[in-house]
Formats: sequence, C-alpha cells, structure tokens
Amino acid sequence: GDSVTQMEGPVTLSEEAFLTINCTYTATGYPSLFWYVQYPGEGLQLLLKATKADDKGSNKGFEATYRKETTSFHLEKGSVQVSDSAVYFCALSDRIGNQFYFGTGTSLTVIP
Amino acid sequence: EAQVTQNPRYLITVTGKKLTVTCSQNMNHEYMSWYRQDPGLGLRQIYYSMNVEVTDKGDVPEGYKVSRKEKRNFPLILESPSPNQTSLYFCASRLVPGTGRGELFFGEGSRLTVL
Repeated sequence: GDSVTQMEGPVTLSEEAFLTINCTYTATGYPSLFWYVQYPGEGLQLLLKATKADDKGSNKGFEATYRKETTSFHLEKGSVQVSDSAVYFCALSDRIGNQFYFGTGTSLTVIP
Repeated sequence: EAQVTQNPRYLITVTGKKLTVTCSQNMNHEYMSWYRQDPGLGLRQIYYSMNVEVTDKGDVPEGYKVSRKEKRNFPLILESPSPNQTSLYFCASRLVPGTGRGELFFGEGSRLTVL
C-alpha cells in the first residue's frame, strides 16, 4: 500500500543554517504530495504541496520538488529562523483522494 | 473565519465510559476525516467520509464509530474506550473528494486520556 518515510528527528540547527528534511514515498499511480507543519499545541497547517511530477511547492522560504524518478519530496530552506521550530510532516494523497498517508514527523528546533 | 472546530480539546475519562468528540467545519467541505497522532507513528487515519451518509474505514478503525448526518458535522464515537485509545485526535476536511489534489484543513486537536 501507499506509504511515506521521512527523516527521523529531532533536528537541531542554529539560526540561519540550511535545512533539509528527507521524505520518500511509495504509491501506485500519481499521488499528490504535501508538507504540513505543526506548531506546539496546534493542529497541522499546510506548508506547501505539489500535485504532479517536477512540480515545486514553495511557501515562507521553504521548497520541495516532486521527484518521481527518486520517489522523493525533500523539504529545504536556505536559512532557518527560531520561529521555524515545529514538527514537520510529509504526506501523500492517493489519486482518488480518499486517504492521506503521513510520515512520522520530524521535530525541528532552531536555536539563536 | 474558515475553520474546523473540535470539542472537547482535552478529556480524561475511564475505561468503558462512552464518549463523543465532535467536529464541525464551516467551509462546506464534502470530505471529512479523523486521525490519531501517536509518538513515533505520525498520523493514522481512523475513518473518513466522502459526503453525507457515506463513511469508510481508514487504517485504524477498531474501537471507533462515526456518523455523517449533516455535511458540516462528523463526530467520532468511542463506545467503550480503552487505555490504548489514549491519543491526540485530529479532525480534518477538504473541499473536493474524488481527486487527490486538495489539501486537508485540520482542527486544533483533542487530547484524550483513558484511565
């Protein structure tokens, strides 16, 4: 069945460091891919998405490219801020859209 | 304001005492779903609903029931809660079923403890 595997955490970075969180997926057909962010005590919020191969999603300085050949959707940011400290979830939606599959989440802490 | 509202946000109960977690959305979304979040396991889907009176099991439906009598509401029912249902629960909705492109909108979560 469909699944998502993402980099284990926790990740601790200094402010202005480069961030990469790896995400790979297994799916039949052509899923849509998402990154969600969860701040402490809150629900998940969409960070970015890509709905077809080679699409690049971007938001708030974060980027991820839908790579079908490597079945990956790695999250990157060139310069992290303290306010980026949160848990990040990679997710996919099957073609029909009935089910979402989430990774286990990666906790990011950015220190000043 | 467009939102998904869950209640209660926090609940401590005892084994076997039936409880209901309510979920309501004001975005006229057709699709709604429930997830549980557990450390090291991420989010796992419990049930989903494509429209009124249409519900289906997700990956971890055991011990849960749902109903979808109105478009805006999708309550999660635990008929006889057990300690292994202690978890953080999220309700979510999306506009368009039948396509994978739309994102989910999440509620703020309901933290349930079963003693």
